[in-house]
Amino acid sequence: GQNIDQPTEMTATEGAIVQINCTYQTSGFNGLFWYQQHAGEAPTFLSYNVLDGLEEKGRFSSFLSRSKGYSYLLLKELQMKDSASYLCAVTSWGNTPLVFGKGTRLSVIA
Amino acid sequence: GAVVSQHPSRVICKSGTSVKIECRSLDFQATTMFWYRQFPKQSLMLMATSNEGSKATYEQGVEKDKFLINHASLTLSTLTVTSAHPEDSSFYICSARQGTQPQHFGDGTRLSIL
Repeated sequence: GQNIDQPTEMTATEGAIVQINCTYQTSGFNGLFWYQQHAGEAPTFLSYNVLDGLEEKGRFSSFLSRSKGYSYLLLKELQMKDSASYLCAVTSWGNTPLVFGKGTRLSVIA
Repeated sequence: GAVVSQHPSRVICKSGTSVKIECRSLDFQATTMFWYRQFPKQSLMLMATSNEGSKATYEQGVEKDKFLINHASLTLSTLTVTSAHPEDSSFYICSARQGTQPQHFGDGTRLSIL
């Protein structure tokens, strides 16, 4: 089976940097995804990591350590519109569907 | 690119009604489509996986006779909630994938059964 853990809620200040952690256990790991989901809306794709290291995309970066079963999403220069849930999801060999963590609800305050 | 269209976005209907939700990949061929359900403040829970032209694979606990899935073409999958009851009220989200590319999600359908 698969198990994905991430904090339930986080609060950060506008303009700051926040790191959202995700740990996972899965057999046959084949990639980790981060999605953003605003309340009442569907998730939107943010990033994909399959090799160790940091992937940077604008204000968002995602890091993966396969040996530690660990990833984080780094959001820089936070804006109010970044208030959303951030979902960590993993897929396994055999092109399996994404299995999602429960999501981290991020609140950006002024 | 990678646009997935889901329709309708909102449905309100009486108990006992059957509701059909469509999911279309607009600019790519979706070899696999997925249907998720999300209750308030909870994570997305996978209901079923469907590959074009074959029967859907349902997750444990999901009634295949209640949630009928058809994936007749590489761009269209439908989910029919048969004889819906209030406990079926939820946010239903489809996603589509081409080969090993990331899954892209439709906008979701908010289903409310009175």
